[in-house]
Amino acid sequence: DAGVIQSPRHEVTEMGQEVTLRCKPISGHNSLFWYRQTMMRGLELLIYFNNNVPIDDSGMPEDRFSAKMPNASFSTLKIQPSEPRDSAVYFCASSFTFGEADTEAFFGQGTRLTVV
Amino acid sequence: LAKTTQPISMDSYEGQEVNITCSHNNIATNDYITWYQQFPSQGPRFIIQGYKTKVTNEVASLFIPADRKSSTLSLPRVSLSDTAVYYCLVGDVIKAAGNKLTFGGGTRVLVKP
Repeated sequence: DAGVIQSPRHEVTEMGQEVTLRCKPISGHNSLFWYRQTMMRGLELLIYFNNNVPIDDSGMPEDRFSAKMPNASFSTLKIQPSEPRDSAVYFCASSFTFGEADTEAFFGQGTRLTVV
Repeated sequence: LAKTTQPISMDSYEGQEVNITCSHNNIATNDYITWYQQFPSQGPRFIIQGYKTKVTNEVASLFIPADRKSSTLSLPRVSLSDTAVYYCLVGDVIKAAGNKLTFGGGTRVLVKP
């Protein structure tokens, strides 16, 4: 398996533009997580899905952020409109939940977003 | 989720053993202790997980005392490529709805030649 695949790897956009980050989890995994990493705040969990359903989005900063998981093999994180303070590395991770247990989480390479 | 405290940074030299201690005084009965490693420009990677006593794998060892209020990650004979940030996480990974990993600040380990 190629692991968790994120695209694009780098994104530079102007303030006010819409940004869409994409993630393909590991095949067979049924939990998916979006994280944001900055020097100031470290790694923050934004939202996580289980079986394509958003379970907890309490980490989403504000209404400008939205995430979807239309099927088991694809998820998007959208920022509209983007602001310079959204500049960060965004990671997607997936794991497999079976019964009441979870495997370890596997992270993608991340998308480095710069909003100018 | 239990709060964790670990050193901000540690320096070491090639071939030495590195021990990183994490404090988690309010760990709950169902909580496991998990360590992740993050190299620059990469996502975190699972290293090891344990509940009590000692766990060892091909990468590291994890020592957990009887009271479980702390744990120590031990990296034997480090090399330059072990330079990374190491995160200690404590939480109940036995959940019906998926595991929410909460990362603290981590320990930045620098291995010098």
